[in-house]
Amino acid sequence: DAGVIQSPRHEVTEMGQEVTLRCKPISGHNSLFWYRQTMMRGLELLIYFNNNVPIDDSGMPEDRFSAKMPNASFSTLKIQPSEPRDSAVYFCASRPIGGYTFGSGTRLTVV
Amino acid sequence: GIQVEQSPPDLILQEGANSTLRCNFSDSVNNLQWFHQNPWGQLINLFYIPSGTKQNGRLSATTVATERYSLLYISSSQTTDSGVYFCAVRTGANNLFFGTGTRLTVIP
Repeated sequence: DAGVIQSPRHEVTEMGQEVTLRCKPISGHNSLFWYRQTMMRGLELLIYFNNNVPIDDSGMPEDRFSAKMPNASFSTLKIQPSEPRDSAVYFCASRPIGGYTFGSGTRLTVV
Repeated sequence: GIQVEQSPPDLILQEGANSTLRCNFSDSVNNLQWFHQNPWGQLINLFYIPSGTKQNGRLSATTVATERYSLLYISSSQTTDSGVYFCAVRTGANNLFFGTGTRLTVIP
């Protein structure tokens, strides 16, 4: 079991550019979550999917953020256009019934 | 939403010492997990413990759901235990709410 796999591990981009973060959940886990961690706000949920369907996206900061899960083994979080305040660590997590398993995160820096 | 409070916010230990971290939550929960965020930023699941007691090596955890708290015990601490320990809870929905964490520093 390779765990939850996120890519890239680090991303540095210029303000205004599009950023795409990727996540491969653990096989068989039917729920997938995107979290963001900042010093000011800690860990906060952005969006989650059940069986590839978005269930709650109320944590998505604004329309610049979008997430998709085209199949059970892949999800993306896209920011377009990116802004310096989007700089954070973005985590993906998945779970069956029970505990959550987190990926290693993507550290995003927007300059 | 549910409130999750962790104490102490910061803890410095000498290697070999024991410690207890506490997590209080404001509502009934159906999921509680303890995570360790290591200095590289990885979130490592320590325990899935909505109730009862579990042990894994030098670590153990107890959740008393009726009294809305959980404790994480670290015995014979090592420098590799350093990092931030998060308690996270889930109520009826799928959202996992995180506490603000306890930052542990173990000095040799």
